[in-house]
Amino acid sequence: SQQGEEDPQALSIQEGENATMNCSYKTSINNLQWYRQNSGRGLVHLILIRSNEREKHSGRLRVTLDTSKKSSSLLITASRAADTASYFCATLAPLVGSARQLTFGSGTQLTVLP
Amino acid sequence: AAGVIQSPRHLIKEKRETATLKCYPIPRHDTVYWYQQGPGQDPQFLISFYEKMQSDKGSIPDRFSAQQFSDYHSELNMSSLELGDSALYFCASSLVGAPEKLFFGSGTQLSVL
Repeated sequence: SQQGEEDPQALSIQEGENATMNCSYKTSINNLQWYRQNSGRGLVHLILIRSNEREKHSGRLRVTLDTSKKSSSLLITASRAADTASYFCATLAPLVGSARQLTFGSGTQLTVLP
Repeated sequence: AAGVIQSPRHLIKEKRETATLKCYPIPRHDTVYWYQQGPGQDPQFLISFYEKMQSDKGSIPDRFSAQQFSDYHSELNMSSLELGDSALYFCASSLVGAPEKLFFGSGTQLSVL
């Protein structure tokens, strides 16, 4: 089973609207990260939030983390057509030895209509 | 700034053939990760290396092997290819001092016919 489950699986909005994507995870984490992926392309790191943080902002991005509910949300404000992509959350478990793998959720396909 | 370089960008193979994917991490990055992403799927961790030693292992089939060389580049070797191996294979790199942030390459699209 996946560490991170995201909802919705697909989201379609008009340009200028806000987009909210949610992610849930199952185990303890060191941090949670959000990545963006354009179709068939590489993953681009967007933002990282540590387990002791509750909210973080970066430009038009706002991420929240609720460790008691094991969930996170990514808000993209004033969306643009260029924001159309898949968005993945990924969790990093507390570091044990050399294990540093990210575990990805299933992603949300965001479509921003012009 | 230099990014993670993967080659080839696309690869077409037939069943039972072998394939080798290459990854060149960002200069001075000492950790390399391999991920597999099937069509419409999330990336799945395969294997990672730190200072040329395997550091972690995920859902990598026994038919696959990987190594990291002295110049820190890594190769993923895939044998007896199956149709289900068709996927986008990503390499990522990071610094041991900053393990939280991974930098991903553009991936190799492998198609097994």
